[in-house]
Amino acid sequence: QIQLVQSGPELKKPGESLKISCKASGYTFTDYAMQWVKQAPGKGLQYMGWINTQTGKPTYADDFKERFVFSLETSASTAYLQINNLKNEDTATYFCARGYYGSHWGQGVMVTVSS
Amino acid sequence: DIQMTQSPASLSASLEEIVTITCQASQDIGNWLAWYQQKPGKSPQLLIYGATSLADGVPSRFSGSRSGTQYSLKISRLQVEDIGIYYCLQAYSAPNTFGAGTKLELK
Repeated sequence: QIQLVQSGPELKKPGESLKISCKASGYTFTDYAMQWVKQAPGKGLQYMGWINTQTGKPTYADDFKERFVFSLETSASTAYLQINNLKNEDTATYFCARGYYGSHWGQGVMVTVSS
Repeated sequence: DIQMTQSPASLSASLEEIVTITCQASQDIGNWLAWYQQKPGKSPQLLIYGATSLADGVPSRFSGSRSGTQYSLKISRLQVEDIGIYYCLQAYSAPNTFGAGTKLELK
């Protein structure tokens, strides 16, 4: 069956970096784009952008153009989200989702940024 | 960016009641709209895509419709397991944008 399995929770300090993984299984990885979505505590869903899994080209929403990097390891059917220079406001759960409509979602990674 | 105005922000309804949630797009998005349900502590689940198509495994009491740039999600007979937060998403133009969400509770 189709699964997206994300890496575990993270506790970081401001200014640090992190890299979250999203490993896909049960389908051909390059057949579907991968989207990334942020959900701050108690808040709604915020679209971060997506990555073309055939070309590796990322597209970022305006709020995520500066410190955020989407990447792939196609041989491992894995997508990554890197966040640099972490800020307190990056505290959130981050989801990966398959395809343009997000037919399948990862379980989410809770990221806490605190000094 | 395309704005999605979702209403109501919260809704209290009784079991077996008909529930309707709407999203108004700030411009034409065709049928590039999806609806999601999210339960506390869980990932969102796709309910409707292409404005009117039911996602795999979703009960038939859920349906989507479109009138111009207004999109609606209808639950024909509310069940206990339908409680949660519902979001719309426009996938017509990058960046995709979500509605603010509708919290559905039991009366």
